[in-house]
Amino acid sequence: GAVVSQHPSRVICKSGTSVKIECRSLDFQATTMFWYRQFPKQSLMLMATSNEGSKATYEQGVEKDKFLINHASLTLSTLTVTSAHPEDSSFYICSARETLAGSTDEQFFGPGTRLTVL
Amino acid sequence: LAKTTQPISMDSYEGQEVNITCSHNNIATNDYITWYQQFPSQGPRFIIQGYKTKVTNEVASLFIPADRKSSTLSLPRVSLSDTAVYYCLVGLYNFNKFYFGSGTKLNVKP
Repeated sequence: GAVVSQHPSRVICKSGTSVKIECRSLDFQATTMFWYRQFPKQSLMLMATSNEGSKATYEQGVEKDKFLINHASLTLSTLTVTSAHPEDSSFYICSARETLAGSTDEQFFGPGTRLTVL
Repeated sequence: LAKTTQPISMDSYEGQEVNITCSHNNIATNDYITWYQQFPSQGPRFIIQGYKTKVTNEVASLFIPADRKSSTLSLPRVSLSDTAVYYCLVGLYNFNKFYFGSGTKLNVKP
């Protein structure tokens, strides 16, 4: 099956700094990628839809200036948490849908990135 | 997207068959039903997807009644490694977004 990777898998940063998380589709092209956030013992919450070559679409209540998303190519989307604070500490997961016509419709999820803000 | 309702948690023993039911009363005509599995600190993993009746793959079966207002994920002969959270999602086959419900935490005991 298709593989989605995330880097880094774990990051610890100081309050006020910015952190970039990468999401890559390794063996397929993805016009659309999605970013989720998951707090401990809670479900995944969709943050935004990342579209290659255009601006991301953010879900209600998600600050677009806080969570910068860039989808520079068909295999890479990045999420930058700007001026991170302890309440941004969470598990961030990306997913990708394959672009090719006739390909499976399932979303492929990355392994997640654990962000801890001190 | 249709809202889904699942039991918060279930307990089972190794070797038993486990059935997790999901309610989706507002499912639309073009909606598909998809189940994902998630282990702690990992991304969700696709299990099975279906539209109606029964779908079976190497890991699970999905039963969907005629009215499609619910679905049941069936895991045959579970093992300790099947302890995870299972999510039911409903939406268009080619829809753009996934909205996760609360999921069902399955605890398999020895």
